[in-house]
Amino acid sequence: DTEVTQTPKHLVMGMTNKKSLKCEQHMGHRAMYWYKQKAKKPPELMFVYSYEKLSINESVPSRFSPECPNSSLLNLHLHALQPEDSALYLCASSQEGRQGAYNTEAFFGQGTRLTVV
Amino acid sequence: GESVGLHLPTLSVQEGDNSIINCAYSNSASDYFIWYKQESGKGPQFIIDIRSNMDKRQGQRVTVLLNKTVKHLSLQIAATQPGDSAVYFCADQRSNAGGTSYGKLTFGQGTILTVHP
Repeated sequence: DTEVTQTPKHLVMGMTNKKSLKCEQHMGHRAMYWYKQKAKKPPELMFVYSYEKLSINESVPSRFSPECPNSSLLNLHLHALQPEDSALYLCASSQEGRQGAYNTEAFFGQGTRLTVV
Repeated sequence: GESVGLHLPTLSVQEGDNSIINCAYSNSASDYFIWYKQESGKGPQFIIDIRSNMDKRQGQRVTVLLNKTVKHLSLQIAATQPGDSAVYFCADQRSNAGGTSYGKLTFGQGTILTVHP
């Protein structure tokens, strides 16, 4: 199983709503990520979890709140979003690679297309 | 500043031709490079990777070349097929201070490859 599964595939939410994006992988990867991708732009890193602990926050606004309940699951809680937050949100996972190790590529899910109205 | 960028935003080729997609990077500390393919409505898909201690790596129909002297990376696709039409991103990954690599990828802007039958 080399899949990263994201739900929902599409989400429309109002600026006062609270919603959550979910991500799941069963590859035994201990690093998981959230990326944001705007149309015709490359993915931009938001958060990195390593061994269920937040290791990197790329100065993301607090209206985005990540959570890693266990080694297979990653959530992104959304609250009071703005229309400019509309984007494709990508989850990824990888083995934690140690220096000199190979094959630390990240596997991506299909993304959640988020529209904030 | 640090950046991973691409020389050409679009590339059109005829089916059966070879394609070459280029990428420049600016950070000498980058030690791992990945090419991803992203089809419309999907997440990035790993194609091939290369570490900084190598200058060439081959996969099935694809070859990645790394020139550290000029900080240049290229992806060669042999006998390009219509199914290769997609956006291609190069990405670099740098080990953190502890020597581990969490797959924190910085993506280039992407090249749109269009293959005409």
